[in-house]
Amino acid sequence: QIQLVQSGPELKKPGESVKISCKASGYTFTNYGMYWVKQAPGQGLQYMGWINTETGKPTYADDFKGRFVFFLETSASTAYLQINNLKNEDMATYFCARAPYFDYWGQGVMVTVSS
Amino acid sequence: DIQMTQSPSFLSASVGDRVTINCKASQNINKYLNWYQQKLGEAPKRLIYNTNNLQTGIPSRFSGSGSGTDYTLTISSLQPEDFATYFCLQHNSFPFTFGSGTKLEIK
Repeated sequence: QIQLVQSGPELKKPGESVKISCKASGYTFTNYGMYWVKQAPGQGLQYMGWINTETGKPTYADDFKGRFVFFLETSASTAYLQINNLKNEDMATYFCARAPYFDYWGQGVMVTVSS
Repeated sequence: DIQMTQSPSFLSASVGDRVTINCKASQNINKYLNWYQQKLGEAPKRLIYNTNNLQTGIPSRFSGSGSGTDYTLTISSLQPEDFATYFCLQHNSFPFTFGSGTKLEIK
């Protein structure tokens, strides 16, 4: 069955970096892109962008240009989200979801940013 | 960006009730509207895609309707496992945007 399994919760300090993984199984990884979605505490979901798993090309939504990086380890059917120079407002749960249909989602990774 | 206004934010209902949740888009989204169920700590589950198509494996008590800017998720007879948060997603145009969610609670 199709699954997206994400890495565990993270506790980081402001200014640090965090890398979140999303491992896909049950389908051919490079046939479907991967979206990333942010859910801040008490707030709605926010589309961050997507990565083309065939070419590795990322596309970022406007609010996520600069400190956010999408990349792949295709041999491991895994997509990554890295957030550099963490800020308090990055504290959220981050989801991956299969493109182009948002049909399957990971369980989410909670990132806590605290000094 | 397309704004998605979801209502109500909270809904209290009983097992067996029929409930409806609405999403209104700030412009026509051409029926590119999905509905999801989210439970704490779990992956969101797609219930309905493109307005009215039931995801495989989802019970038929879930249905969707709408067009243009107005969309509705209906649960015809609530079951205990349906108490969760529901949200909509428009995927008509970038950036994709989400409703703010409806928390469905047991009365």
